[in-house]
Amino acid sequence: DIHMTQSPSTLSASVGDRVIITCRASQSVSNWLAWYQQKPGKAPKLLIYEASSLESGVPSRFSGSGSGTEFTLTISGLQPDDFATYYCQQYNTYPSFGPGTKVDI
Amino acid sequence: QITLKESGPTLVEPAQTLTLTCTFSGFSLMTSGVGVGWIRQSPGKAPEWLVFIYWDDDKRYSPSLKSRLTIIKDTSKNQVVLIMTNMDPVDTGTYYCAHRRQYSNNWNAGFLDYWGQGAPVTVSS
Repeated sequence: DIHMTQSPSTLSASVGDRVIITCRASQSVSNWLAWYQQKPGKAPKLLIYEASSLESGVPSRFSGSGSGTEFTLTISGLQPDDFATYYCQQYNTYPSFGPGTKVDI
Repeated sequence: QITLKESGPTLVEPAQTLTLTCTFSGFSLMTSGVGVGWIRQSPGKAPEWLVFIYWDDDKRYSPSLKSRLTIIKDTSKNQVVLIMTNMDPVDTGTYYCAHRRQYSNNWNAGFLDYWGQGAPVTVSS
């Protein structure tokens, strides 16, 4: 099994801030890494796949980078709608998710 | 437009069997390469992938839950059914079905681009 970790677990930020979330894998997943946004009571929403490819319809302030075992999700210019929990997910093998990063005010 | 919706009981007794149905539209499970997954999420926890089923009836199960899971597709109804046996209170959570994006032939893996709204399930006597 590939174990995923994220840091920080909680992040306090303000509108307009640049936010960086880190995701690490216990072994290399190449670039098979996705990012999701989840709001309370809702399903996760795909933001990024293949580590850096922006899903259609997702604002360009979201970007992803990394490969191997270390990845980042960057939100450039945090908007009120971005306060949510973010999960990374590897799909190099059986899918596994990180524990999440909650972005709050 | 791809949509998925889960349905099933909201309350299951311990040791009983859970059956959930995913009804989808906007794609066909008869089309080569198409797959549907089930993912669950315990309250306050990260999502956990359970299983994929593919157009050719290939099935890939989470190794840790394989003995308790069965997945079936009914292409005539555009439905996928998840069966989980021997339910326990730790299985309480929201169960999602989702469309697997076609990207490679690594059928053990995948990411989900369209999700259902989720089916809340509580395991309690």
